[in-house]
Amino acid sequence: ELKVEQNPLFLSMQEGKNYTIYCNYSTTSDRLYWYRQDPGKSLESLFVLLSNGAVKQEGRLMASLDTKARLSTLHITAAVHDLSATYFCAVDIIAGGGADGLTFGKGTHLIIQP
Amino acid sequence: ETGVTQSPTHLIKTRGQQVTLRCSSQSGHNTVSWYQQALGQGPQFIFQYYREEENGRGNFPPRFSGLQFPNYSSELNVNALELDDSALYLCASSLQMNTEAFFGQGTRLTVV
Repeated sequence: ELKVEQNPLFLSMQEGKNYTIYCNYSTTSDRLYWYRQDPGKSLESLFVLLSNGAVKQEGRLMASLDTKARLSTLHITAAVHDLSATYFCAVDIIAGGGADGLTFGKGTHLIIQP
Repeated sequence: ETGVTQSPTHLIKTRGQQVTLRCSSQSGHNTVSWYQQALGQGPQFIFQYYREEENGRGNFPPRFSGLQFPNYSSELNVNALELDDSALYLCASSLQMNTEAFFGQGTRLTVV
């Protein structure tokens, strides 16, 4: 059974600081996704990582993937209040037949204080 | 905007009742997946439909069922509602199986 673990689950940080969210998964994966979710809202896709060593950046967020370590990181640079949200990583396995869907971590609840 | 729309946005039902949630996928997307997200948790995969047939299912009982229609719309049906069914239900559509999924805004179901 595929398991996805995120840490930390809760993070309170100050504006201007840097921090990293970690996502570990238990079996070989075909794709890794990062999503953002605001309270009561749906999931906003941030990054899709497809291969070992993949790195993607958008604004103050940068995601990377190490398939050998089964680890992805989401790095926040010089945090601003607008980045406060819950961040999920999710893993996808392309099964030989049928679909298993995305397996999500429990999410990291991020609060950025002025 | 992902082009995936769900209705209704909020719904309150009584334990034991049945409910139907609807999703309109992006045009041309022949794969739709449904997820249940309990408060404070990550979404959990319910099932996936590809070309109007179920082709994958998570750990959910048979009272959770679905339909997919040729016009890129789909339904999630839940019978004999339980209090624990209270959650945000998300549908996600994909161009093909095993391609990136785009999520709708969700339906918040409350069972009382």
